[in-house]
Amino acid sequence: EVQLVESGGGLVQPGGSLRLSCAASGFTFSSYWMYWVRQAPGKGLEWVSRINSDGTSRSYADSVKGRFTVSRDNAKNTLYLQMNGLRAEDTAVYHCANVDITSREASDIWGQGTMVTVSS
Amino acid sequence: DIQMTQSPSSLSASVGDRVTITCRASQTIDNYLNWYQHKPGKAPKLLIFGASTLHSGVPSRFSGSGSGTEFTLTISRLQPEDFTTYFCQQSYSSPFTFGQGTKLDIK
Repeated sequence: EVQLVESGGGLVQPGGSLRLSCAASGFTFSSYWMYWVRQAPGKGLEWVSRINSDGTSRSYADSVKGRFTVSRDNAKNTLYLQMNGLRAEDTAVYHCANVDITSREASDIWGQGTMVTVSS
Repeated sequence: DIQMTQSPSSLSASVGDRVTITCRASQTIDNYLNWYQHKPGKAPKLLIFGASTLHSGVPSRFSGSGSGTEFTLTISRLQPEDFTTYFCQQSYSSPFTFGQGTKLDIK
């Protein structure tokens, strides 16, 4: 079965750190660029980060640049998001998704998400 | 950054109705426009990519059109399972912005 499963979310104090993981199965993970996308409570989807298939090219939303780092381990079929300097406004469900460059870079595989809550 | 303006933000309709959702880009994005359906607590689901190409397995009552800066998603003959939230996203350039979403509910 093709799937992405996020983990690593939780409650963290402002200024703290978390590392999210996204485990891929059922498809050739190493062939795909990947996104992180988040949804704050009551808000819409916000693109967070993108990484290319071999991890050598990364991009970030301005809201997380300098605080978040995306990486991947293709041997483990896993995508990561290291989040440092967390703020209340980072509270959201974080989804990982593939980037299909043959389909105008749309995402047809998504995880259900992991909740991150930043609060004292 | 490219801004995506999606309208309406909410929409009430009945089973069997036809509805249209619009997404406008602040600059041209060619046809790098994708539509997603998102049910609460679930993974978003790709409906349309490249503005008008129906993703595999998506019912034919969903259709997309447009190019450049203006795009539409049309759902003909609404079914009960279609009442949820829809988002557009531009995949033309970083940051890959989403529209604000349209919540479709039953009238």
